[in-house]
Amino acid sequence: EIVLTQSPGTLSLSPGERATLSCRASQSVSSSYLAWYQQKPGQAPRLLIYGASSRATGIPDRFSGSGSGTDFTLTISRLEPEDFAVYYCQQYGSSPWYTFGQGTKLEIK
Amino acid sequence: EVQLVESGGGLVQPGGSLRLSCAASGFTFSSYSMNWVRQAPGKGLEWVSYISSSSSTIYYADSVKGRFTISRDNAKNSLYLQMNSLRDEDTAVYYCARGGTIVVVVAATDYWGQGTLVTVSS
Repeated sequence: EIVLTQSPGTLSLSPGERATLSCRASQSVSSSYLAWYQQKPGQAPRLLIYGASSRATGIPDRFSGSGSGTDFTLTISRLEPEDFAVYYCQQYGSSPWYTFGQGTKLEIK
Repeated sequence: EVQLVESGGGLVQPGGSLRLSCAASGFTFSSYSMNWVRQAPGKGLEWVSYISSSSSTIYYADSVKGRFTISRDNAKNSLYLQMNSLRDEDTAVYYCARGGTIVVVVAATDYWGQGTLVTVSS
């Protein structure tokens, strides 16, 4: 089973700053089957990035994903007020079918 | 517009049963695999179960194997989760989420419903 570990647990930044979130896998993620989600309180998760680096439909280009193998990164180039939320990484395709990281809370400093 | 609407949540005693439903619209339901994902209060996301577009392939998380059953009715554009022998730790918001297609089998979950709350308590 692939275990995903996200860091940091909480990230405190100001609007306009750059955010870098990390997701490390316990073993190599096949074909970069790694996704990132944003979740705001009381809402369902929203897909941001799939295939490690492809933006989902309608996602602003300030969101970017990178990485391969066991180390992946979500970068938000210039934080907007609406970007403060919890972010999850997810691997798909390896047993079990989907696994999630524990999440990173991005909060306003 | 893709829409997924869950229903069937509620309060149930430990050991009890509940059946969740997810009504899909805005896409060709029969072409997509579907999933259930849950989130305990204040906690992270946990994948629960997967069903392929034709129901030929089904997977479960170890935490629910033998107690939960996923199914779908493509004629009704609906996904289901039968939950038996419920435990306190099954308390969560349950989301249905769309997966991949016959062509792109392995895919991220791109659309999610708003979820339905299941509370297991005496």
